[in-house]
Amino acid sequence: GENVEQHPSTLSVQEGDSAVIKCTYSDSASNYFPWYKQELGKGPQLIIDIRSNVGEKKDQRIAVTLNKTAKHFSLHITETQPEDSAVYFCAASPSYIPTFGRGTSLIVHP
Amino acid sequence: GAGVSQSPSNKVTEKGKDVELRCDPISGHTALYWYRQSLGQGLEFLIYFQGNSAPDKSGLPSDRFSAERTGGSVSTLTIQRTQQEDSAVYLCASSLGYGNTIYFGEGSWLTVV
Repeated sequence: GENVEQHPSTLSVQEGDSAVIKCTYSDSASNYFPWYKQELGKGPQLIIDIRSNVGEKKDQRIAVTLNKTAKHFSLHITETQPEDSAVYFCAASPSYIPTFGRGTSLIVHP
Repeated sequence: GAGVSQSPSNKVTEKGKDVELRCDPISGHTALYWYRQSLGQGLEFLIYFQGNSAPDKSGLPSDRFSAERTGGSVSTLTIQRTQQEDSAVYLCASSLGYGNTIYFGEGSWLTVV
């Protein structure tokens, strides 16, 4: 089955800095890569996703890049704000069941 | 409803008791998932329902866990003879089907004492 590794497990940045979270996957059949943000006590919410026919996608301060050859994808958050503090999960989906990474706890210090 | 609805939001139960967790997916969503999230861990897949097809139960950790989906809508996850290691957040999610965005509920926090 699919295996997703996510790094780092914790990321601490100053407000205004950029944050990068990286994921690798094992199954070359994966073709859908969503990213979720989970705030304390809430369920995960989709923030951005990318499909395998696209190398990069951007939505305001958030961007995701995908390298299918190397089997890795990354989330980039620019101009971080305190409200970006949360746990972020990547996922890879070779079929109807996405496999999730273990999460990155992002802390943005004001 | 506007989103995936789960109940109860919190449940404390004694070891050995049975618990039922309910999920009401987004109207019209044919796919329904259950995931488990233990403290500080990722999301562990439990079971998947798609329309009237047989569910994919490959993620259920033991035969104490079971789930049903009645009428293609509401789902119930049942844990029999609960153990302390069952303590976790149980997340339900739904989507329009394969390749579509998966929307999560707020989760049911289960504590087994």
